[in-house]
Amino acid sequence: GQQVMQIPQYQHVQEGEDFTTYCNSSTTLSNIQWYKQRPGGHPVFLIQLVKSGEVKKQKRLTFQFGEAKKNSSLHITATQTTDVGTYFCAADSGTYKYIFGTGTRLKVLA
Amino acid sequence: GAVVSQHPSRVICKSGTSVKIECRSLDFQATTMFWYRQFPKQSLMLMATSNEGSKATYEQGVEKDKFLINHASLTLSTLTVTSAHPEDSSFYICSATYSETQYFGPGTRLLVL
Repeated sequence: GQQVMQIPQYQHVQEGEDFTTYCNSSTTLSNIQWYKQRPGGHPVFLIQLVKSGEVKKQKRLTFQFGEAKKNSSLHITATQTTDVGTYFCAADSGTYKYIFGTGTRLKVLA
Repeated sequence: GAVVSQHPSRVICKSGTSVKIECRSLDFQATTMFWYRQFPKQSLMLMATSNEGSKATYEQGVEKDKFLINHASLTLSTLTVTSAHPEDSSFYICSATYSETQYFGPGTRLLVL
């Protein structure tokens, strides 16, 4: 079945450093979504990417969808302690049924 | 934005009992809802797709007789964990799609003793 892998699994950064997580699917995707989950919380929707090569920005966050629509990335510029959490991509092959990636846990050291 | 609620938020039960978890879309109608399970420090695993007025679709490896899903109305889906065992202890989260965006409920933490 479809697999969605994320790397790295964990990332510790100093506050102010940049952070990137990568998401790779074994199949071509219809769209991909990104979520943030704080410890003890539920996933919160960040963004959806639909078009091949699409790039979207939200303040310090930059999201990219690969040309082949099989991979995506999330980049955070100048991390802050409020960025702590686990970032998940969720992949849709066209059925609105989303398969979550393995997640990247981010810790930001003040 | 769309809001999805879950009840209860936490439940502790004895092994062998059944537990029902409710998922409601508060300000929109959802013909389809999804149920996920998340073990500590792991990703969300899709368990099943709940379809209003018809049978749920279960993912491979999920026992349909153990995890009973009922989607009786356009705003309510229920997940019943039957004869719960300690290994069923987990975080159960539902979601519903509105305007091409998934909205998650706050989750239900189940602890089976």
